[in-house]
Amino acid sequence: ILNVEQSPQSLHVQEGDSTNFTCSFPSSNFYALHWYRWETAKSPEALFVMTLNGDEKKKGRISATLNTKEGYSYLYIKGSQPEDSATYLCAPEAGGTSYGKLTFGQGTILTVHP
Amino acid sequence: DTGVSQDPRHKITKRGQNVTFRCDPISEHNRLYWYRQTLGQGPEFLTYFQNEAQLEKSRLLSDRFSAERPKGSFSTLEIQRTEQGDSAMYLCASSLVGTQTFGSGTQLSVL
Repeated sequence: ILNVEQSPQSLHVQEGDSTNFTCSFPSSNFYALHWYRWETAKSPEALFVMTLNGDEKKKGRISATLNTKEGYSYLYIKGSQPEDSATYLCAPEAGGTSYGKLTFGQGTILTVHP
Repeated sequence: DTGVSQDPRHKITKRGQNVTFRCDPISEHNRLYWYRQTLGQGPEFLTYFQNEAQLEKSRLLSDRFSAERPKGSFSTLEIQRTEQGDSAMYLCASSLVGTQTFGSGTQLSVL
């Protein structure tokens, strides 16, 4: 899988704002879509894995949707908090012989101001 | 088990020197991955192992890079004759099925 695009590249919001990011990817040979959160000086933390078209996952104030036919996923954060500040990475996983191999986008850097 | 451990956290070396990084995965995980991340980019896949077998290597991985996973436990990534372009964060991840768990990475600076 090539050409994984995330937008925006960076985002500044105020505490309490809701926000969303986009991940677009080629829809061919798709197996799963992973979202990670990466805080400075820490290891990337898995948020969601989604496989089915129309999948929606939720974890607290964060949720994600998946459209495999058109090749995109949205990540939503409701009521952003300063601790949500991090880089959010998406990574489609291809099937077949590339099973398990993740191709990451460049990430969206979120800064939440108190 | 405390997760995926990587050592060292930081490495500064001079151009032309060899460096070796170590990754200790979660003990029951049979798959181990290496990625490289440079500023402004997401992690790029380098190679992965299933148990002790190295199943795939990226075309990004030049002949100066070698990875091993003896006995299917910890893994080492060696870079020979380092170049300034090798400066990056080297991440290791492990998995059993599905989600990969990442270590904190080794930040390499080549002067």
